[in-house]
Amino acid sequence: GQQVMQIPQYQHVQEGEDFTTYCNSSTTLSNIQWYKQRPGGHPVFLIQLVKSGEVKKQKRLTFQFGEAKKNSSLHITATQTTDVGTYFCAGDNFNKFYFGSGTKLNVKP
Amino acid sequence: SQTIHQWPATLVQPVGSPLSLECTVEGTSNPNLYWYRQAAGRGLQLLFYSVGIGQISSEVPQNLSASRPQDRQFILSSKKLLLSDSGFYLCAWTETSATQYFGPGTRLTVL
Repeated sequence: GQQVMQIPQYQHVQEGEDFTTYCNSSTTLSNIQWYKQRPGGHPVFLIQLVKSGEVKKQKRLTFQFGEAKKNSSLHITATQTTDVGTYFCAGDNFNKFYFGSGTKLNVKP
Repeated sequence: SQTIHQWPATLVQPVGSPLSLECTVEGTSNPNLYWYRQAAGRGLQLLFYSVGIGQISSEVPQNLSASRPQDRQFILSSKKLLLSDSGFYLCAWTETSATQYFGPGTRLTVL
C-alpha cells in the first residue's frame, strides 16, 4: 500500500535558526498537502502543491514539490517560538489521504 | 462558512465498554468524511472514509466501525473497547479541493 515517510521525527532549534522537514512517498502523488498541529490541537491546513516542481511561499515558509511528484519539503527561515508544533505532509490518492508521521519542531527562545 | 463539530471532547472508558463518537459538518453538502486516530506523539492513521450516505471504506481492520446515517453526520463506534484504542480521534471533511478540514477531536482514554 501507499506509504508516506517524513523525516526527521524531531527537530530542536534555537530561535532564529532555519528548519526543514522532508516527505517521501512510495508512489506518485496527485498533490501533496502540508498541515501544522499545535500541541493539544488539531491539524490545520497550510498549503497544497499540485504541479511537478512547484514552489510556494508563505512568509517565512517555503514549500516544494519534487519533479517526480513523490517528494516534498517544508523549509522555515529564521524560526520563531510561534512555529512550535508538529508538521505533517499528506498525499492524496483518490479521496484517501496518507499522512506522514510528522516532524515535531521545538524552538528554544 | 463551514463548521465541523465533534463530541465529546474527552472520554474515559473502561476496557470492554462500547463507544460512540459523533461528527457533524455544517455549511456544505455531500462532503467526503474521514475518521483518523492519532496515538500520543504519533502521526495520523486513516481509519474510515465515506464519499456518501451509507458508503464506508475501512482502511484498517480492527474492532471499530463507522456509519454515515445522514449526509453530514459520521459516527465512529465500537462494541468493546481495547486498551490499544486509546488515542486522539479526529474527524475531517473535504470538498473537491481536497483540502482537509479537521474537527477539534476527541481524546479517548481506555483504562
